[in-house]
Amino acid sequence: DQQVKQNSPSLSVQEGRISILNCDYTNSMFDYFLWYKKYPAEGPTFLISISSIKDKNEDGRFTVFLNKSAKHLSLHIVPSQPGDSAVYFCAASNWGVTGNQFYFGTGTSLTVIP
Amino acid sequence: DTGVSQNPRHKITKRGQNVTFRCDPISEHNRLYWYRQTLGQGPEFLTYFQNEAQLEKSRLLSDRFSAERPKGSFSTLEIQRTEQGDSAMYLCASSDRERGEQYFGPGTRLTVT
Repeated sequence: DQQVKQNSPSLSVQEGRISILNCDYTNSMFDYFLWYKKYPAEGPTFLISISSIKDKNEDGRFTVFLNKSAKHLSLHIVPSQPGDSAVYFCAASNWGVTGNQFYFGTGTSLTVIP
Repeated sequence: DTGVSQNPRHKITKRGQNVTFRCDPISEHNRLYWYRQTLGQGPEFLTYFQNEAQLEKSRLLSDRFSAERPKGSFSTLEIQRTEQGDSAMYLCASSDRERGEQYFGPGTRLTVT
């Protein structure tokens, strides 16, 4: 069963605008979440993480929001740049339950149009 | 720091053959992970090492799969008697702390004909 879901396979955004990528999870025990970016022919690259004790974490143009009651997190990229075009994966884990297993979503392909 | 490297990058094999992949993690990272990724899916956890000890294995990992990390440095993933369903990208990642971000290699793409 897919415990982490990214329901939008693709997203197109104009350069300079905001990109919002969404992720939902089903396991309420997850307490640590990460976003990765993946370019073709490369492995995923870590972007940003958030612990369940927070509801927001910011790093430059990237902000992750966590809504625990809705079991939902989102990644905001502002302003979007053409170099942000990639596939974005969210991942989740819970140390006490899943140990070192991270569960990944299916990814959202972001295209930033110049 | 040269990052995580994986060899080979591509492997084509006939069904029933054995294959072995190698992963060289970032040198100071004591944690190493193997994942499998198929088209349209995210990485799926296979197994985890802390130093040379294999501490976790996915329930989905068939007995045909075995992984080692001798001396806590590089790791190998072997698939015996390959099947067409084993065709996938095999990703290795390393980390220097518990639940820290993982640094991924470029992957080994396996095609079983």
